[in-house]
Amino acid sequence: EAAVTQSPRNKVTVTGGNVTLSCRQTNSHNYMYWYRQDTGHGLRLIHYSYGAGNLQIGDVPDGYKATRTTQEDFFLLLELASPSQTSLYFCASSDRDTEVFFGKGTRLTVV
Amino acid sequence: AQRVTQVQSTGSSQWGEVTLDCSYETSEYSYLILWYRQLFSGEMVFLIYQPSFDTQNQRSGHYSVVFQKSFKSISLVISASQPEDSGTYFCALSELTNNNAPRFGAGTKLSVKP
Repeated sequence: EAAVTQSPRNKVTVTGGNVTLSCRQTNSHNYMYWYRQDTGHGLRLIHYSYGAGNLQIGDVPDGYKATRTTQEDFFLLLELASPSQTSLYFCASSDRDTEVFFGKGTRLTVV
Repeated sequence: AQRVTQVQSTGSSQWGEVTLDCSYETSEYSYLILWYRQLFSGEMVFLIYQPSFDTQNQRSGHYSVVFQKSFKSISLVISASQPEDSGTYFCALSELTNNNAPRFGAGTKLSVKP
């Protein structure tokens, strides 16, 4: 079965700290995505990629970097975390004509 | 530009039929509309999708959609709703003819009362 695995599942960091969220998919999908979910906003797209080494900017990219090292692995980097980045983060993968498969989410708190 | 709009919340009584509305903006001809439900744990569960090029409304279990392509509108219909159907439902637009990522609506919170 298609799988997207996120780590860590929960993370607390301090303002100004570095955080890396990891995502691995075993679906052989070309597309991978990072979304954040906040009350009242639904899922907002941060960055996405359509292949290893490719990176596309989403709708709310400020304060985030991303890297797609392999077809399977997609990382989200917060280099100077701020309280406004406290959120539930989802990684997902898909092909163009399929449903989007989600990881279970990472709950990040920046104090 | 892609945009997806959903009503914030709605309610129903057990065994009633629920309709959740979604409208979207796209300039592409080929796309999918996807529906997800978010469990209280946060997990996203895929429910059903409607291709733009399919004139037939899709069905899956007790979920179906009413697709009005010319109005860029789609509704998720839940038949014989149960309290365990309560939760937040998301509509998403996935364009097929470019490299755009899927965009999601803000979600509709559904409460089904016994």
